[in-house]
Amino acid sequence: DAKTTQPNSMESNEEEPVHLPCNHSTISGTDYIHWYRQLPSQGPEYVIHGLTSNVNNRMASLAIAEDRKSSTLILHRATLRDAAVYYCILRDYGGSQGNLIFGKGTKLSVKP
Amino acid sequence: DAGVIQSPRHEVTEMGQEVTLRCKPISGHDYLFWYRQTMMRGLELLIYFNNNVPIDDSGMPEDRFSAKMPNASFSTLKIQPSEPRDSAVYFCASSSSRGAPLGSYNEQFFGPGTRLTVL
Repeated sequence: DAKTTQPNSMESNEEEPVHLPCNHSTISGTDYIHWYRQLPSQGPEYVIHGLTSNVNNRMASLAIAEDRKSSTLILHRATLRDAAVYYCILRDYGGSQGNLIFGKGTKLSVKP
Repeated sequence: DAGVIQSPRHEVTEMGQEVTLRCKPISGHDYLFWYRQTMMRGLELLIYFNNNVPIDDSGMPEDRFSAKMPNASFSTLKIQPSEPRDSAVYFCASSSSRGAPLGSYNEQFFGPGTRLTVL
């Protein structure tokens, strides 16, 4: 799976939007972009994923650049509960169901 | 649904002892994964099963580690003998292949983890 690059940490104020960037310049045409997050003392949880088009769900939005070399996870109104480590992961749809390769992720802090 | 269940939540043992971690996946899921998380190495996949069959165990660190899935609702990860460097949080996750659009993946659901301390 291709590698992703994320900032180590970001800060946000409560109830403000947060844009978490991810660079994946070596992405292949068959790679899906997945985001997971890990709240303190919990297991990771799925957030969202996409291939080419922007995606929205109840948790977040995923904006994918036209050349697919970068993407941005958008939390529309950060809450204290959104403080977590966010992981951007590429998964080749030609591969298997396994092998989520977690990098170091971005640690998001939310200030009240 | 109760989600993925892991036991015990915390385990403290002495070097050389056998440790068994347990996982009950979400009912109906056909994939089960074991991950390990440490400060140094982050989250890493150890092994995963499909329909109770081990598919990829290349992440298992050494022969002291073994994993089994005797049926669709239960899996174990065993360390024998345990060493202090095995101290970590071990996560079990499950997913279903049903309903995933062609070429896509269904999400993995993680358990709360087992925090293992080997003294």
